[in-house]
Amino acid sequence: GAGVSQSPSNKVTEKGKDVELRCDPISGHTALYWYRQRLGQGLEFLIYFQGNSAPDKSGLPSDRFSAERTGESVSTLTIQRTQQEDSAVYLCASSTDGTGLDGYTFGSGTRLTVV
Amino acid sequence: AQSVTQLGSHVSVSEGALVLLRCNYSSSVPPYLFWYVQYPNQGLQLLLKYTSAATLVKGINGFEAEFKKSETSFHLTKPSAHMSDAAEYFCAVSGYGNKLVFGAGTILRVKS
Repeated sequence: GAGVSQSPSNKVTEKGKDVELRCDPISGHTALYWYRQRLGQGLEFLIYFQGNSAPDKSGLPSDRFSAERTGESVSTLTIQRTQQEDSAVYLCASSTDGTGLDGYTFGSGTRLTVV
Repeated sequence: AQSVTQLGSHVSVSEGALVLLRCNYSSSVPPYLFWYVQYPNQGLQLLLKYTSAATLVKGINGFEAEFKKSETSFHLTKPSAHMSDAAEYFCAVSGYGNKLVFGAGTILRVKS
């Protein structure tokens, strides 16, 4: 597509429920990144995909967080047993490759609120 | 390892005045440096980037930044602020094959 698309744009969930966040990167972009942005804070790296593999998962905060990517395209970030501290905007970005030379193109994010 | 420090979480300027947003980085490899802008309820948009070519980089909307290796800085400037420049600005650093590491952001307010 023309840009990075994320869905849903907003999600309110009850504490303890599981949520799935979706990212559609730009067609042909092999690298895909997930970041988290808490209120008033910078971007926190979560995970990086090159193709369908995740060579860097170092930012996932706990084993409640997981992500996958299929067909070198769509990625899903899953948060199990959500907690209030998971409330944040989850941003997805893609780039042409994993070199970092082109910078990233970001989606508009999913605002997750855990109540 | 890489890190970014943005001096000033909030900057306020008058319309027409110089904009200066400060960014200092730390990197163990030759850095690539980026400035992104985030308007309310939107994703991040790339303003400009430095990837080891010219040290003075020009971006969109009249912004530019200068890479100064001796000062490990990559400050963002614009000669004359416009009301539409009000947003949050993020500086980021990466190295070849490394993920972007972002600063905490600077909120720019433009007064009329």
